[in-house]
Amino acid sequence: AQSVAQPEDQVNVAEGNPLTVKCTYSVSGNPYLFWYVQYPNRGLQFLLKYITGDNLVKGSYGFEAEFNKSQTSFHLKKPSALVSDSALYFCAVRDAANQAGTALIFGKGTTLSVSS
Amino acid sequence: DAGITQSPRHKVTETGTPVTLRCHQTENHRYMYWYRQDPGHGLRLIHYSYGVKDTDKGEVSDGYSVSRSKTEDFLLTLESATSSQTSVYFCAISDAGGRQETQYFGPGTRLLVL
Repeated sequence: AQSVAQPEDQVNVAEGNPLTVKCTYSVSGNPYLFWYVQYPNRGLQFLLKYITGDNLVKGSYGFEAEFNKSQTSFHLKKPSALVSDSALYFCAVRDAANQAGTALIFGKGTTLSVSS
Repeated sequence: DAGITQSPRHKVTETGTPVTLRCHQTENHRYMYWYRQDPGHGLRLIHYSYGVKDTDKGEVSDGYSVSRSKTEDFLLTLESATSSQTSVYFCAISDAGGRQETQYFGPGTRLLVL
């Protein structure tokens, strides 16, 4: 069965410092991996996805994520955090062996808090 | 929010009453989804649709039904609301429908069942 783990409920960083939000996954086939961000009282916004190819994926708002197949991880990173990055972040996976149109499996979310 | 609206945005209802939530899209996307978001669980799929009148169950479908009579509208009905269905409900749509598809989310409906 597919699953996603976000091992940290909360990540605290100071503005200007690099940030990492961790995600590990479990699928039977090749994974398609996604990161979303949710600001208070808003829907989820798509940040980036990994399908195939380069292990470093660049996305919106300066975020990037590194796919590591051997560690089954897809950590979200940003070189210099902003206070406005404070939000709830979700990692999600779809197994490439699944049929089209089936659901994303989401992690429980990680709250990122960036202090000034 | 990618041309997706949800109505109502907030609703308070009583246990045992039926409730219908609406998702409307202007993107003409084929696939539509209903998720619920609960603390500690992330988002979980309730039902999805892969075309007009074509729907299927998700992980947490018990107590919910859906209908899609037009491409742009996907309705979620709680047949007899229970307190365990208090949640935030999100609609999502996707474009190409392939395994690489990106899902785009609506603003959500906050439902409280008393």
